[in-house]
Amino acid sequence: SQQGEEDPQALSIQEGENATMNCSYKTSINNLQWYRQNSGRGLVHLILIRSNEREKHSGRLRVTLDTSKKSSSLLITASRAADTASYFCVFGTSYGKLTFGQGTILTVHP
Amino acid sequence: EAQVTQNPRYLITVTGKKLTVTCSQNMNHEYMSWYRQDPGLGLRQIYYSMNVEVTDKGDVPEGYKVSRKEKRNFPLILESPSPNQTSLYFCASSYQGIGYEQYFGPGTRLTVT
Repeated sequence: SQQGEEDPQALSIQEGENATMNCSYKTSINNLQWYRQNSGRGLVHLILIRSNEREKHSGRLRVTLDTSKKSSSLLITASRAADTASYFCVFGTSYGKLTFGQGTILTVHP
Repeated sequence: EAQVTQNPRYLITVTGKKLTVTCSQNMNHEYMSWYRQDPGLGLRQIYYSMNVEVTDKGDVPEGYKVSRKEKRNFPLILESPSPNQTSLYFCASSYQGIGYEQYFGPGTRLTVT
């Protein structure tokens, strides 16, 4: 399967702590994106990193990409209760195909 | 407001009764796609379209049809729904393809009995 793998599957932390989620994939990619989903709703785009980039920041988010290891990580710093959601890595494998990771369920306790 | 809309949001139907889930975007995006989300399986791409009259299969196209006659609309058609198509369906669009931010619709929860 070309599906990405994410770990951990679930992560429970306290407000103010950092949360790190990892994504691995098997094929060559054009870019990798991270999305957030709140409880069965539509996904919201967080950040995109291209295959020639190694690190990207957006507010409290930091994404890294290691194409040699075929892996990416998403770091959320100083987590808030409102960050509670599922997080997915999404990568483009060919012309128009997008593949999703299994997702990490993040719970941030107030 | 820039958005992707899906209709209906909820649908309960019976096996074999043809149905269409509509998807429309108002951002003049070229790329549109459909996904299904199932517990334990995550989201899987059903079909995608790079532009008008250009569609192609994703990872799980069996049992589904799509058409792209206009840029803004990308309906998902289930000619003969079966219970294994019970799922949460999402439509998404982007400016030009997989290298761009995907805008997702709110989802359609389909139950086939």
